[in-house]
Order: sequence, then C-alpha cells, then structure tokens
Amino acid sequence: EVQLVESGGGLVQPGGSLRLSCAASGFSFSNYWMSWVRQAPGKGLEWVAHIKQDGIEKYHMTGRFTISRDNAKNSLYLQMNSLGVEDTGVYYCARDPGGFDLWGQGTLVTVSS
Amino acid sequence: QLVLTQSPSASASLGASVKLTCTLSSGHSTYAIAWHQQQPGKGPRYLMRVNNDGSHSKGDGIPDRFSGSSSGAERYLTISSLQSEDEAAYYCQTWGTGVQVFGGGTRLTVL
Repeated sequence: EVQLVESGGGLVQPGGSLRLSCAASGFSFSNYWMSWVRQAPGKGLEWVAHIKQDGIEKYHMTGRFTISRDNAKNSLYLQMNSLGVEDTGVYYCARDPGGFDLWGQGTLVTVSS
Repeated sequence: QLVLTQSPSASASLGASVKLTCTLSSGHSTYAIAWHQQQPGKGPRYLMRVNNDGSHSKGDGIPDRFSGSSSGAERYLTISSLQSEDEAAYYCQTWGTGVQVFGGGTRLTVL
C-alpha cells in the first residue's frame, strides 16, 4: 500500500525540541522531493520545509527547523528546536512531485507549559 | 511574491454544481496549481493538478465529478452532482524555487 505514516508528535514545553519522523512505503521514496506541512488548530495549511531526492538541497520556512531524509530507510525527518506555542498543530508529511500528491495522516505537536 | 487567493466560503445545494476559484498573484499567471480537499476532522487529500493550459491530472480514486480548468491567472475546481461528503475545505497550492504556497482555503457548505 502506498502510504506515509508520521510519528514523534507530543507535548513539549516552550523552548523545547522535538523530532518528527515519516515512514514511506509502497513507492520509490528516493525518487521524490518530500515536504512537511503543518496546520494550527482551526487554521489553514502552511508549508514548513522540503527536501530534494539527494537530501542535500533543502528549504525551510524557519531556521529553527531542519528537514532531513534517509533514503535507505525510506524515512523523512523534521528536527524542531526552540519551539513556541505558535508551533502547535498537526504536522503532515507529503510527497512532492509538484503538487503534494500523497499525504500522511499527521502527528499532533502541542507546545505548552 | 507568489500568493494564492481563495474566497473563504462557498455554498451550493445537494445535487448541484459549484466552481471554486484560486487566483495566482501578478507575474505568476503561468504556474500550475494543485487542489486538495480536507473533510472535517481529517487530513488533506490530493484531488488534482491543474496546468496553465487547463489540462488536469487527478489523484487515484478521485471521482469524475471533480474537474479542473484554467483561465489566465485563475485556476478552477468544479464539483458536479454535489454530495454531502463534498462538504469540506478546499485548498489550492503552488510552488516555486525553494517555496511552496497555499491559498487560505474555501470552506464549502452543501445545503
């Protein structure tokens, strides 16, 4: 089955860090750009970061986050540092061939004291 | 700056058709976009990509009731024979070098 499964979300205090993971299956992960997208409660979708197939070319919405990938493990990661309450939301990974054509179910990140 | 503009809300009756619009910012009228559906309480679902020439390619399992088109800087999503499960938020998305952009979303109510 073609799917993306996120994990690693949870409750973290302001200023803390969290690492999200996304496991890909059913397709050739190494052939695709991949992205992270988030959604704050009751708000719209917001792009966070994306990474090229080779793992070298990457772009982020903020320097506090770092996207990475391990093609051997078919996995995508998002390291999030210096988290603030504004980072609370559901984080989705998405396959990115030009338009996000496959989404995961999301993982909830809650930043609160 | 690459920006997508959507109306916040739309409504149409059960069984009718509705056309949602996504407008590309000035200087970006040739960009392709993607449409995504998000039903209440669920994650987004890819519907289709719509190109500048109006051609579109749908995701797996997307019903024929959903179609895309284009005119100038506007990209459209048309849903025909509206069903109750079509009540959802619809987002358009586009991309450039080093950036991905979403529209604010249109919340569709099926009356």
